[in-house]
Amino acid sequence: GAVVSQHPSRVICKSGTSVKIECRSLDFQATTMFWYRQFPKQSLMLMATSNEGSKATYEQGVEKDKFLINHASLTLSTLTVTSAHPEDSSFYICSARDLTSEAFFGQGTRLTVV
Amino acid sequence: GENVEQHPSTLSVQEGDSAVIKCTYSDSASNYFPWYKQELGKRPQLIIDIRSNVGEKKDQRIAVTLNKTAKHFSLHITETQPEDSAVYFCRRADTGNQFYFGTGTSLTVIP
Repeated sequence: GAVVSQHPSRVICKSGTSVKIECRSLDFQATTMFWYRQFPKQSLMLMATSNEGSKATYEQGVEKDKFLINHASLTLSTLTVTSAHPEDSSFYICSARDLTSEAFFGQGTRLTVV
Repeated sequence: GENVEQHPSTLSVQEGDSAVIKCTYSDSASNYFPWYKQELGKRPQLIIDIRSNVGEKKDQRIAVTLNKTAKHFSLHITETQPEDSAVYFCRRADTGNQFYFGTGTSLTVIP
């Protein structure tokens, strides 16, 4: 299957700082990428859907000014958590869609805000 | 974000027994029904999928069945093993561009 690389896998940051997470499709062009947040043993909550070259579509309740998404190329999408607070601590995972209906996941990023 | 109705949320079975997880959907136009397995701290992996022109698909100990009339699809794991312990997700099979996942089922296989 296709490979999606997400970086970093773990990050610890101070409250009030910003953190950028990268998601890359390594061997295919991803016209659509998805960003999810996951709490322990819970489901993947879709935060936003991004299409290359256009603004991301955010799910209800997700602050677009806090979770900045950029999808500048067909192989790269970034999620920036701005002015992070402890409640933003979570597991963030990206997914990229290829030309079929399939979704391939990055390895996830464990964010801890202290 | 929206999630898909998935049951049960937790499931414990004895090693060797079978496990069944069900998801329901509402969009009659849905035509693709995947299941994912996520081990602790790892990314979800597609384990099996089925398209709407087929009622059942099997891959060794794993099978997926589709009931289009009742609008639900199920994951069946037979002869369960401890390594099957994980969280399993279905994905909402609508025709839109958003990919929403089921609420998840935490499966524990007891040796």
